[in-house]
Amino acid sequence: GAVVSQHPSRVICKSGTSVKIECRSLDFQATTMFWYRQFPKQSLMLMATSNEGSKATYEQGVEKDKFLINHASLTLSTLTVTSAHPEDSSFYICSARPKLAVNTGELFFGEGSRLTVL
Amino acid sequence: GQNIDQPTEMTATEGAIVQINCTYQTSGFNGLFWYQQHAGEAPTFLSYNVLDGLEEKGRFSSFLSRSKGYSYLLLKELQMKDSASYLCAVNGRDSNYQLIWGAGTKLIIKP
Repeated sequence: GAVVSQHPSRVICKSGTSVKIECRSLDFQATTMFWYRQFPKQSLMLMATSNEGSKATYEQGVEKDKFLINHASLTLSTLTVTSAHPEDSSFYICSARPKLAVNTGELFFGEGSRLTVL
Repeated sequence: GQNIDQPTEMTATEGAIVQINCTYQTSGFNGLFWYQQHAGEAPTFLSYNVLDGLEEKGRFSSFLSRSKGYSYLLLKELQMKDSASYLCAVNGRDSNYQLIWGAGTKLIIKP
């Protein structure tokens, strides 16, 4: 099956620093990538949708200046958490929709990145 | 508004059968997904239903009734490794496939 690689899997940082998380589709082109956040024992919460070559669409309540998303190519999207604070500590997951899977809507998920802000 | 409901937690015995229900109310419908998520890991795809009826895939089957806004995931011959959360998600908006997620059902398998 299609593989999505997410890096880093775990990151610990100090409050006020910025953290970049990468999401790569390894064997397919992804026209659309989604970024989710998941707090313990809660469901996935969509943060933003990014389409290659255009600005990301953020969900209501998600600060676009704090969570910077760049989808520079068909295989790479990045999420940068700027000036991270302890309340940003969460499990961040990306998913990608293959360019050729327009009729199934199937998504492939990265492994997730656990961010801990001290 | 848009809403997806599924039970919070279920318990079943190894070797048995369990059915996890999901009801949804969304503005439009373009398919329903079931995902499995083990603790601390990302979700993995299980099934996709867009037409009414039952889709069988090995030990897992998924059913959809669009008129009732209802789906279920049926797991047969339960194994201990099936202990996980099962997430129901609906594509209820547009062709960009933004999914609306249920809160997930935590399935506990006992020997």
